[in-house]
Amino acid sequence: NAGVTQTPKFQVLKTGQSMTLQCAQDMNHEYMSWYRQDPGMGLRLIHYSVGAGITDQGEVPNGYNVSRSTTEDFPLRLLSAAPSQTSVYFCASSPHSSGNTIYFGEGSWLTVV
Amino acid sequence: GENVEQHPSTLSVQEGDSAVIKCTYSDSASNYFPWYKQELGKGPQLIIDIRSNVGEKKDQRIAVTLNKTAKHFSLHITETQPEDSAVYFCAASTGNQFYFGTGTSLTVIP
Repeated sequence: NAGVTQTPKFQVLKTGQSMTLQCAQDMNHEYMSWYRQDPGMGLRLIHYSVGAGITDQGEVPNGYNVSRSTTEDFPLRLLSAAPSQTSVYFCASSPHSSGNTIYFGEGSWLTVV
Repeated sequence: GENVEQHPSTLSVQEGDSAVIKCTYSDSASNYFPWYKQELGKGPQLIIDIRSNVGEKKDQRIAVTLNKTAKHFSLHITETQPEDSAVYFCAASTGNQFYFGTGTSLTVIP
């Protein structure tokens, strides 16, 4: 029972490099989202998707891109990494209806030097 | 947008005592309020939730109360145990967008 799977678990990037955080879910959930977690700031929504082919911005979208070509996958791309993007990133999914809880992956620890 | 405030940021209790964490929200359209527990190095896990048409919900040692008029909701943990030590997050949702509190680090002292 995999749930929400994120890769990689840990990554160190140099400023200006690009990379993609992978997220996959096997629960046939239509809604998927990415959050970043910083000390003292809780979880902040970066981007979300309510179904394949549909994405939208959350609270802190700048510097990140997403796409949703399949129901299962929702990758997060950092186009040109900056030290301010050092954070823990969580992918989450939920059935597509209001009032359903979201299920989180185990997180990806990203350090930009 | 929605603004969720959570207090306290840290909480220490003796094993066996009760712990209470409080959250307030600003958007009266919010209708779903989950609570998550996050252990070190792990993703948040749902422990209990409540919907806007319910005032209280209980699951063994954990309970949540909701006051829609005052726009606040609380997590109550009774008979705390060392394994309850973790960071707890509240959240409010109006649909597919969730807004999280800043977390409470709970330490249960044996």
